Amino acid sequence: DAKTTQPTSMDCAEGRAANLPCNHSTISGNEYVYWYRQIHSQGPQYIIHGLKNNETNEMASLIITEDRKSSTLILPHATLRDTAVYYCIVRVANSGNTPLVFGKGTRLSVIA
Amino acid sequence: DTAVSQTPKYLVTQMGNDKSIKCEQNLGHDTMYWYKQDSKKFLKIMFSYNNKELIINETVPNRFSPKSPDKAHLNLHINSLELGDSAVYFCASSQVQNNEQFFGPGTRLTVL
Repeated sequence: DAKTTQPTSMDCAEGRAANLPCNHSTISGNEYVYWYRQIHSQGPQYIIHGLKNNETNEMASLIITEDRKSSTLILPHATLRDTAVYYCIVRVANSGNTPLVFGKGTRLSVIA
Repeated sequence: DTAVSQTPKYLVTQMGNDKSIKCEQNLGHDTMYWYKQDSKKFLKIMFSYNNKELIINETVPNRFSPKSPDKAHLNLHINSLELGDSAVYFCASSQVQNNEQFFGPGTRLTVL
């Protein structure tokens, strides 16, 4: 079972920042927070991951609270192509041969 | 260049038939997976192979038989197809030391 809780859906205006929250209150010390997204009719796509420090890459930023019980994925300037289901997953790092456990995710709709 | 490819993209067949889905990755990864996404959009792991060895089988009926002829391929054969097998099947791959899983485009299986 997924160890994360996310809102079912969110809307965001095009060009604005999309902030997607995730609760993971039972996260273990050696587990990282991963984010994937699934655009309609495509396979899931990796976005970003982090342990306790904030992380940023070309796609998004990840803000993890100090107690690590929750995090927020930030898409700084959402576009229509960012409309997708976003999954927050907790997982031991560098465990590349273990499968991902997906929850229900958040359906983000970016509106023009 | 396609990193993880699957064939066919669509598969429509009758109950009771036997069918196969093929997956190939050109990333040099040592672990491959099959995930199933049902009509309610839940993504669940079915199988995981590392260096051609089965390492995870998530209580999938034995009508499903994965076969890994080499590290770059993981095919899924399904015997005696049932209506409940209708879903989108995703292949994925990863490297043990890495954190990112790469997914294929999916195969939509419809059993009539």
